[in-house]
Amino acid sequence: EDKVVQSPLSLVVHEGDTVTLNCSYEVTNFRSLLWYKQEKKAPTFLFMLTSSGIEKKSGRLSSILDKKELFSILNITATQTGDSAVYLCAVEGAGAGNMLTFGGGTRLMVKP
Amino acid sequence: GAVVSQHPSWVICKSGTSVKIECRSLDFQATTMFWYRQFPKQSLMLMATSNEGSKATYEQGVEKDKFLINHASLTLSTLTVTSAHPEDSSFYICSARVNNQPQHFGDGTRLSIL
Repeated sequence: EDKVVQSPLSLVVHEGDTVTLNCSYEVTNFRSLLWYKQEKKAPTFLFMLTSSGIEKKSGRLSSILDKKELFSILNITATQTGDSAVYLCAVEGAGAGNMLTFGGGTRLMVKP
Repeated sequence: GAVVSQHPSWVICKSGTSVKIECRSLDFQATTMFWYRQFPKQSLMLMATSNEGSKATYEQGVEKDKFLINHASLTLSTLTVTSAHPEDSSFYICSARVNNQPQHFGDGTRLSIL
């Protein structure tokens, strides 16, 4: 059974801080790992990672995958209050329908 | 691009009512659509995977007669919660994807059964 574990469960920081969110996984026939941001509604896509060691970057957010150690990190630099959300990590295996297995999420709160 | 629209966004109805939720991919043709359920402060749990023109694949523990999924076209999937009861109250989210691209999510439907 595919499994995704995120840590920490929750995090409170102040604006300007840098945060690192962790995601470890076990999946049969790994295809990709995805990061999503969920505020009040449904998740919005951040990154899709398929190759080890290649950093993906979008503004203040970046992410990298280690397929040998089976984990990924999501970094957010110079955090802002608008970064407050639940960050979800999901992995896709090559099973039927290419379904995603989600981790429990990290709840980030950025205080002014 | 990759916009997924879900309707309605919020439903309140009486116990015993059947409720239909629509999921549309607005600017792409989705090869696969997915239906998730999310309880408060929990992560997304996959309910079923739906391919256009074929029967949905339900996850273990999800009653297919309770949660009817129809995927009539490459841009529309519907989830009908039949004879809904208070324990069916939840946040239901659909997603859609084309080929090996990331799943893109609708805004979700909050279902409250009285």
